[in-house]
Amino acid sequence: NAGVTQTPKFRVLKTGQSMTLLCAQDMNHEYMYWYRQDPGMGLRLIHYSVGEGTTAKGEVPDGYNVSRLKKQNFLLGLESAAPSQTSVYFCASRWEDSYNEQFFGPGTRLTVL
Amino acid sequence: AQSVSQHNHHVILSEAASLELGCNYSYGGTVNLFWYVQYPGQHLQLLLKYFSGDPLVKGIKGFEAEFIKSKFSFNLRKPSVQWSDTAEYFCAVTPLNTGRRALTFGSGTRLQVQP
Repeated sequence: NAGVTQTPKFRVLKTGQSMTLLCAQDMNHEYMYWYRQDPGMGLRLIHYSVGEGTTAKGEVPDGYNVSRLKKQNFLLGLESAAPSQTSVYFCASRWEDSYNEQFFGPGTRLTVL
Repeated sequence: AQSVSQHNHHVILSEAASLELGCNYSYGGTVNLFWYVQYPGQHLQLLLKYFSGDPLVKGIKGFEAEFIKSKFSFNLRKPSVQWSDTAEYFCAVTPLNTGRRALTFGSGTRLQVQP
């Protein structure tokens, strides 16, 4: 099992460009999450999904969109990147009845110039 | 909304010293509690978790944590740290019976262990 994987690992964007981050899990997890990690702020929830075809907003959803067309994939999109979106993005997933024990991917380091 | 506080932002210890990292949360109901560790350049890994039962939980690599409900605390401890424990440690909480399906993380504590 690969667990939770993220693509790409690093990316540099210019302000206004768009991109999509891909999260994939092979554990048949129902729930998937996107977090951003910033120094001194821990991890903050951007969006999450409780199943294929569903998405919901987290604490900091502005400027991001997500889609869960397949159970194993959770996409995070930035339509018009801003320097404030420079961060490390982590994807996580879990089973429905796992008391919220989440498994994390390796992260994507995004820099917006 | 619930919040999680980790008061120690940066801790520097010598090898073999004892460690205690504080974690307090604000939710008054039943909670699940977690400690995650992030080694340099790596993703978050689960260190230990508390769901119910014995409030003293043991995790991997000799870590343990004690849930004190009356103090809304879940402090992480290790009797003797090693250089390899250098990492960032995150406390996380989920309140039960609220429909919330995500974790709330603290801001993290960076531990530096000097040889």
